[in-house]
Amino acid sequence: GAGVSQSPRYKVAKRGQDVALRCDPISGHVSLFWYQQALGQGPEFLTYFQNEAQLDKSGLPSDRFFAERPEGSVSTLKIQRTQQEDSAVYLCASSRSRGARGYGYTFGSGTRLTVV
Amino acid sequence: KNQVEQSPQSLIILEGKNCTLQCNYTVSPFSNLRWYKQDTGRGPVSLTIMTFSENTKSNGRYTATLDADTKQSSLHITASQLSDSASYICVVSASGGYNKLIFGAGTRLAVHP
Repeated sequence: GAGVSQSPRYKVAKRGQDVALRCDPISGHVSLFWYQQALGQGPEFLTYFQNEAQLDKSGLPSDRFFAERPEGSVSTLKIQRTQQEDSAVYLCASSRSRGARGYGYTFGSGTRLTVV
Repeated sequence: KNQVEQSPQSLIILEGKNCTLQCNYTVSPFSNLRWYKQDTGRGPVSLTIMTFSENTKSNGRYTATLDADTKQSSLHITASQLSDSASYICVVSASGGYNKLIFGAGTRLAVHP
């Protein structure tokens, strides 16, 4: 596609519910990143994929957070047993080069998760 | 610890006026510095990207400067428009590995008519 597509745009979850957020990167992009952005703050790194390999998951805040990219294209961020502090915008970004150095680094519009 | 600090936190200016946003960083080793514009409800969009050897770069009415010695950058917006109302985020890429990005908290700019 022309850009990075994320779905759903908005998600309201009851506390304790599991959610799955989807990211469709730009076709052919090797690298894919997930970020968490709290209100009024900059994005915070969650995890990085190079093709299907998850090379860094050091930013995942707890073992309730899980990300996958099984075929090296679409990625899913799953949050189990959601809690109120999980409320944030979840951004996905992709790049045609390995890592984040490339000029083609593009963000999606994000999924706004609200846990009630 | 790698950090990016931005100031001011928020800014209100009148349409047509100029403004300058500041960014200080402590990221090392340094790869590049980027300024992004983030409209409400949208993902960040790149405005400029500068490497160590570049000290100024323009993109239309946006001009970014970089002083790698003092580890400071600024984003100057000329003849502001209502559509410039957004958050402006300074991002520094650390070299090595996969060039992890370190984000500032952003400056929220409001342009009023």
